[in-house]
Amino acid sequence: QLQLQESGPGLLKPSETLSLTCTVSGGSISSDSYYWAWIRQPPGKGLEWIGSIYYSGTTYYRPSLKSRVTISVDTSKNQFSLKVSSVTAADTAVYYCARELRSAPGDWGRGTLVTVSS
Amino acid sequence: QSALTQPRSVSGSPGQSVTISCTGTSTDVGRYIYVSWYQQHPGKAPKLMIYEVTKRPSGVPDRFSGSKSGNTASLTISGLQGDDEADYYCCSHAGTYVIFGGGTKVTVL
Repeated sequence: QLQLQESGPGLLKPSETLSLTCTVSGGSISSDSYYWAWIRQPPGKGLEWIGSIYYSGTTYYRPSLKSRVTISVDTSKNQFSLKVSSVTAADTAVYYCARELRSAPGDWGRGTLVTVSS
Repeated sequence: QSALTQPRSVSGSPGQSVTISCTGTSTDVGRYIYVSWYQQHPGKAPKLMIYEVTKRPSGVPDRFSGSKSGNTASLTISGLQGDDEADYYCCSHAGTYVIFGGGTKVTVL
């Protein structure tokens, strides 16, 4: 059974860079047709799609975040990663990684809370 | 890229049916079949309930059904049960990105 697990620092200061990794087990990140996505949810608010990557390295990003976001993939480790630069309090959220098929994230990690505070 | 529009809340009694709407534009919901729906209980990750407008993943009860007309997609929950009380989100392909709705809280009276 496919499992995804987010990892990374839970507390950042404003202007720092958020870095998270998603480790995939029970399946290959190099599977055809699947994209690997990052989605976040600010406390008490709705879901926001950040971006996704194919195992070949093709990426898609939310337009409003594109200038600050980088998603990368490491097929040798079966992992993909998220970087968000110049974070502010507005980036405080639970960050989820997910496997996406035809724009539908179907398998999700448990999520990890990232708090931005001075 | 504004969120898709969903009602903030809907409610129904056990056994009744409720329908949640999800309104987008001709560049997202209206253009693509890639509309999906998610159920999220408090403190949990979202769960895929419907994909490609009408399809149900294995294990999702057939009480959950999806449809689309023009720029509006809908999720209907029939035979409402207590465990259906949760937040529901729609999601659509929008060309080069994916967009979610603002979420609807379903309350079982």
